[in-house]
Amino acid sequence: QVQLRESGPGLVKPSGTLSLTCGVSGDSISRNNWWGWVRQPPGKGLERIGEIYHSGDTNYSPSLESRVTISVDKSKRQFSLKLMSVTAADTAFYYCVRAGLGPPPLYYDHWGQGILVTVSS
Amino acid sequence: QSVLTQPPSVSGAPGQRVTISCTGSSSNIGADFDVHWYQQIPGTAPKLLIFGNTKRPSGVPDRFSGSKSGASASLTITGLQAEDEGDYYCQSFDSTLSVMFGGGTMLTVL
Repeated sequence: QVQLRESGPGLVKPSGTLSLTCGVSGDSISRNNWWGWVRQPPGKGLERIGEIYHSGDTNYSPSLESRVTISVDKSKRQFSLKLMSVTAADTAFYYCVRAGLGPPPLYYDHWGQGILVTVSS
Repeated sequence: QSVLTQPPSVSGAPGQRVTISCTGSSSNIGADFDVHWYQQIPGTAPKLLIFGNTKRPSGVPDRFSGSKSGASASLTITGLQAEDEGDYYCQSFDSTLSVMFGGGTMLTVL
Protein backbone atom coordinates (compact mmCIF):
# COMPACT_ATOMS: atom_id res chain seq x y z
CA GLN A 1 0.00 0.00 0.00
CA VAL A 2 1.48 3.29 -1.12
CA GLN A 3 1.81 5.82 1.67
CA LEU A 4 2.86 9.44 1.37
CA ARG A 5 3.68 11.67 4.31
CA GLU A 6 4.39 15.38 4.24
CA SER A 7 6.77 17.01 6.68
CA GLY A 8 8.12 20.49 7.25
CA PRO A 9 7.52 23.76 9.11
CA GLY A 10 3.92 24.74 9.72
CA LEU A 11 4.76 28.44 9.90
CA VAL A 12 6.73 30.51 7.40
CA LYS A 13 7.42 34.23 7.48
CA PRO A 14 6.28 36.46 4.62
CA SER A 15 8.90 36.78 1.87
CA GLY A 16 10.51 33.58 3.11
CA THR A 17 10.74 30.15 1.49
CA LEU A 18 8.28 27.35 2.16
CA SER A 19 10.05 23.96 2.21
CA LEU A 20 8.25 20.63 2.47
CA THR A 21 9.31 17.01 2.03
CA CYS A 22 7.22 13.99 1.11
CA GLY A 23 8.35 10.56 2.25
CA VAL A 24 7.25 7.62 0.08
CA SER A 25 6.68 4.10 1.37
CA GLY A 26 5.09 1.06 -0.19
CA ASP A 27 6.29 1.98 -3.68
CA SER A 28 9.51 2.73 -5.50
CA ILE A 29 9.99 6.38 -6.33
CA SER A 30 11.89 5.19 -9.41
CA ARG A 31 8.94 3.41 -10.97
CA ASN A 32 6.98 4.87 -13.85
CA ASN A 33 5.06 7.45 -11.90
CA TRP A 34 5.19 11.18 -11.46
CA TRP A 35 5.19 12.65 -7.95
CA GLY A 36 3.71 16.03 -7.17
CA TRP A 37 2.17 18.65 -4.96
CA VAL A 38 -1.35 20.07 -4.71
CA ARG A 39 -2.45 22.76 -2.30
CA GLN A 40 -5.76 23.92 -0.84
CA PRO A 41 -6.29 27.20 1.03
CA PRO A 42 -8.51 26.60 4.07
CA GLY A 43 -12.13 26.45 2.98
CA LYS A 44 -11.26 26.76 -0.70
CA GLY A 45 -10.61 24.58 -3.73
CA LEU A 46 -7.66 22.56 -5.01
CA GLU A 47 -4.70 24.02 -6.89
CA ARG A 48 -2.11 21.96 -8.68
CA ILE A 49 1.50 23.03 -8.02
CA GLY A 50 3.54 20.63 -10.14
CA GLU A 51 5.07 17.19 -10.59
CA ILE A 52 8.48 15.53 -10.90
CA TYR A 53 9.61 12.27 -12.52
CA HIS A 54 12.39 10.19 -11.00
CA SER A 55 14.66 11.34 -13.82
CA GLY A 56 14.32 14.88 -12.54
CA ASP A 57 11.98 16.12 -15.26
CA THR A 58 9.47 18.58 -13.86
CA ASN A 59 6.18 20.21 -14.80
CA TYR A 60 4.96 23.26 -12.94
CA SER A 61 1.76 25.27 -12.84
CA PRO A 62 2.31 28.38 -14.98
CA SER A 63 0.96 30.58 -12.20
CA LEU A 64 3.58 29.35 -9.70
CA GLU A 65 6.45 28.37 -11.98
CA SER A 66 8.59 31.42 -11.22
CA ARG A 67 8.62 30.61 -7.48
CA VAL A 68 8.52 26.80 -7.34
CA THR A 69 11.14 24.08 -7.33
CA ILE A 70 10.34 20.39 -6.94
CA SER A 71 13.23 17.98 -6.47
CA VAL A 72 13.63 14.26 -5.84
CA ASP A 73 16.04 12.25 -3.69
CA LYS A 74 15.73 8.62 -4.76
CA SER A 75 18.18 7.35 -2.13
CA LYS A 76 16.00 8.77 0.63
CA ARG A 77 12.74 7.83 -1.14
CA GLN A 78 11.45 11.35 -0.91
CA PHE A 79 10.68 14.39 -2.98
CA SER A 80 10.54 18.02 -1.94
CA LEU A 81 8.83 21.32 -2.61
CA LYS A 82 10.30 24.78 -2.31
CA LEU A 83 8.12 27.86 -2.80
CA MET A 84 9.93 31.19 -2.63
CA SER A 85 8.79 34.69 -1.73
CA VAL A 86 5.67 33.52 0.06
CA THR A 87 2.78 35.74 1.07
CA ALA A 88 -0.38 35.18 3.08
CA ALA A 89 -2.00 33.94 -0.13
CA ASP A 90 0.25 30.88 0.05
CA THR A 91 -1.32 29.78 3.33
CA ALA A 92 -2.82 26.38 2.56
CA PHE A 93 -2.93 22.69 3.18
CA TYR A 94 -0.18 21.17 1.05
CA TYR A 95 -0.67 17.62 -0.20
CA CYS A 96 1.94 15.43 -1.81
CA VAL A 97 0.57 13.08 -4.45
CA ARG A 98 1.48 10.18 -6.70
CA ALA A 99 0.38 10.74 -10.26
CA GLY A 100 -0.77 7.94 -12.53
CA LEU A 101 0.62 7.60 -16.03
CA GLY A 102 -1.23 8.68 -19.10
CA PRO A 103 -2.00 11.66 -21.28
CA PRO A 104 -2.45 15.02 -19.58
CA PRO A 105 -3.84 15.76 -17.16
CA LEU A 106 -2.17 13.28 -14.87
CA TYR A 107 -4.56 11.92 -12.26
CA TYR A 108 -3.50 11.76 -8.64
CA ASP A 109 -4.18 8.26 -7.33
CA HIS A 110 -2.51 8.52 -3.93
CA TRP A 111 -2.49 11.48 -1.57
CA GLY A 112 -0.67 12.31 1.63
CA GLN A 113 -2.70 13.40 4.64
CA GLY A 114 -1.75 17.02 4.04
CA ILE A 115 0.10 19.60 6.09
CA LEU A 116 -1.12 23.09 6.93
CA VAL A 117 1.41 25.80 6.23
CA THR A 118 0.62 29.27 7.49
CA VAL A 119 2.44 32.34 6.20
CA SER A 120 2.57 34.90 8.97
CA SER A 121 5.04 37.06 10.83
CA GLN B 1 -12.89 31.60 -10.81
CA SER B 2 -11.99 28.28 -12.38
CA VAL B 3 -12.30 27.64 -16.13
CA LEU B 4 -14.03 24.39 -15.16
CA THR B 5 -17.43 25.33 -13.76
CA GLN B 6 -19.16 23.19 -11.18
CA PRO B 7 -22.37 23.93 -9.26
CA PRO B 8 -21.47 25.14 -5.76
CA SER B 9 -23.78 22.64 -4.15
CA VAL B 10 -26.11 19.73 -4.81
CA SER B 11 -28.21 17.65 -2.46
CA GLY B 12 -30.24 14.49 -2.39
CA ALA B 13 -31.96 12.10 -0.03
CA PRO B 14 -30.50 8.71 0.83
CA GLY B 15 -31.05 6.25 -1.98
CA GLN B 16 -31.52 8.94 -4.60
CA ARG B 17 -29.38 9.75 -7.60
CA VAL B 18 -27.43 12.99 -7.98
CA THR B 19 -25.37 14.35 -10.84
CA ILE B 20 -22.56 16.89 -10.60
CA SER B 21 -21.63 18.73 -13.78
CA CYS B 22 -18.27 20.09 -14.85
CA THR B 23 -18.54 22.54 -17.71
CA GLY B 24 -15.50 23.57 -19.69
CA SER B 25 -14.75 24.90 -23.15
CA SER B 26 -13.07 24.12 -26.44
CA SER B 27 -9.64 24.67 -24.87
CA ASN B 28 -10.03 21.99 -22.21
CA ILE B 29 -12.72 19.31 -21.97
CA GLY B 30 -13.95 20.15 -25.47
CA ALA B 31 -10.43 19.61 -26.80
CA ASP B 32 -10.77 15.96 -25.82
CA PHE B 33 -8.67 16.13 -22.68
CA ASP B 34 -9.55 13.59 -20.02
CA VAL B 35 -11.56 14.48 -16.93
CA HIS B 36 -10.88 13.06 -13.48
CA TRP B 37 -13.00 13.34 -10.34
CA TYR B 38 -12.04 13.50 -6.68
CA GLN B 39 -14.05 13.14 -3.48
CA GLN B 40 -13.05 15.01 -0.33
CA ILE B 41 -14.76 14.07 2.89
CA PRO B 42 -14.52 16.93 5.43
CA GLY B 43 -11.24 16.90 7.32
CA THR B 44 -9.56 14.42 5.00
CA ALA B 45 -7.40 14.45 1.89
CA PRO B 46 -9.03 14.19 -1.53
CA LYS B 47 -9.47 10.72 -2.98
CA LEU B 48 -9.46 9.73 -6.65
CA LEU B 49 -12.98 8.67 -7.63
CA ILE B 50 -13.00 8.55 -11.45
CA PHE B 51 -10.11 8.81 -13.91
CA GLY B 52 -10.01 8.93 -17.68
CA ASN B 53 -13.61 10.20 -17.81
CA THR B 54 -15.26 6.90 -16.89
CA LYS B 55 -12.84 4.57 -15.09
CA ARG B 56 -13.10 3.69 -11.39
CA PRO B 57 -9.99 2.91 -9.32
CA SER B 58 -10.04 -0.35 -7.43
CA GLY B 59 -12.22 -0.05 -4.33
CA VAL B 60 -14.52 2.69 -5.59
CA PRO B 61 -18.13 1.45 -5.55
CA ASP B 62 -19.95 1.19 -8.88
CA ARG B 63 -22.51 3.66 -7.50
CA PHE B 64 -20.07 6.27 -8.80
CA SER B 65 -19.87 6.79 -12.55
CA GLY B 66 -18.44 9.38 -14.88
CA SER B 67 -19.31 10.55 -18.35
CA LYS B 68 -18.17 13.15 -20.84
CA SER B 69 -19.85 14.81 -23.78
CA GLY B 70 -18.57 17.71 -25.78
CA ALA B 71 -17.14 20.35 -23.45
CA SER B 72 -18.79 18.97 -20.32
CA ALA B 73 -18.41 16.04 -17.96
CA SER B 74 -20.60 14.62 -15.24
CA LEU B 75 -20.24 12.57 -12.10
CA THR B 76 -23.30 10.55 -11.15
CA ILE B 77 -23.86 8.97 -7.77
CA THR B 78 -26.69 6.46 -7.44
CA GLY B 79 -28.05 4.99 -4.22
CA LEU B 80 -26.89 8.03 -2.28
CA GLN B 81 -25.50 7.28 1.18
CA ALA B 82 -24.76 9.52 4.16
CA GLU B 83 -21.05 8.72 3.82
CA ASP B 84 -21.05 10.34 0.35
CA GLU B 85 -21.43 13.79 1.88
CA GLY B 86 -18.46 15.99 1.05
CA ASP B 87 -16.85 18.02 -1.70
CA TYR B 88 -16.33 16.81 -5.25
CA TYR B 89 -13.82 18.22 -7.72
CA CYS B 90 -13.35 17.68 -11.43
CA GLN B 91 -9.92 18.02 -13.04
CA SER B 92 -8.84 18.45 -16.63
CA PHE B 93 -6.20 20.09 -18.80
CA ASP B 94 -6.51 23.46 -20.44
CA SER B 95 -4.33 24.11 -23.46
CA THR B 96 -3.64 27.67 -22.30
CA LEU B 97 -3.66 27.26 -18.52
CA SER B 98 -2.34 23.72 -17.92
CA VAL B 99 -3.86 21.35 -15.34
CA MET B 100 -7.00 22.76 -13.74
CA PHE B 101 -9.45 21.77 -11.04
CA GLY B 102 -13.06 22.80 -10.99
CA GLY B 103 -14.21 25.02 -8.16
CA GLY B 104 -15.73 22.10 -6.30
CA THR B 105 -19.27 21.00 -5.45
CA MET B 106 -20.52 20.40 -1.94
CA LEU B 107 -22.81 17.37 -1.75
CA THR B 108 -25.32 17.31 1.07
CA VAL B 109 -27.19 14.13 1.91
CA LEU B 110 -30.54 15.22 3.30
